[in-house]
Amino acid sequence: DARVTQTPRHKVTEMGQEVTMRCQPILGHNTVFWYRQTMMQGLELLAYFRNRAPLDDSGMPKDRFSAEMPDATLATLKIQPSEPRDSAVYFCASGSPFDRGQTEAFFGQGTRLTVV
Amino acid sequence: GENVEQHPSTLSVQEGDSAVIKCTYSDSASNYFPWYKQELGKRPQLIIDIRSNVGEKKDQRIAVTLNKTAKHFSLHITETQPEDSAVYFCAAYAGFGNEKLTFGTGTRLTIIP
Repeated sequence: DARVTQTPRHKVTEMGQEVTMRCQPILGHNTVFWYRQTMMQGLELLAYFRNRAPLDDSGMPKDRFSAEMPDATLATLKIQPSEPRDSAVYFCASGSPFDRGQTEAFFGQGTRLTVV
Repeated sequence: GENVEQHPSTLSVQEGDSAVIKCTYSDSASNYFPWYKQELGKRPQLIIDIRSNVGEKKDQRIAVTLNKTAKHFSLHITETQPEDSAVYFCAAYAGFGNEKLTFGTGTRLTIIP
């Protein structure tokens, strides 16, 4: 049963600390999305990659957030320094070109981040 | 860029009645429209999707309609059951060259027994 794996599932950290969230996309998927979910904002797109190349990260606060794909099996989202307003659930999703009728976007189980 | 609006934000219906959730999108190039269901504390999961070359798609009690001219699409759930209670998200995808999957703000559906 192929699935997107995110680690850690939960993270509590102090304001100012660095946070790294990891995502293992489904093997063979070449598109990876990072979303942030809060009660007020729904599913907010932060960044996405196609074949490991960042295509758009305009939804991400550049001064503290960074997203990378070191290889095809790992995507990372880093916050440095973290702030209480970053508290949210961060989802990673992977898929293949939807307009070619290949597959849906599969979501990982999310990382619940709490910054105190 | 793409903007997806979703209404209503909350919806309560009696068990057995129908529920309708509506979305509009702004980018006429969008050609793929999935709907996701998210139960409390869980990840969003696809329940149905539609591509721009069809106007309607059904899967048992769930159906989606698409009006490309008006740039809106809707989710219809018939004979609602308690397990349909969840948050539903619509999304739009514009395809090659603009591969964002943009979500609406969600609808919290509550089925009243």
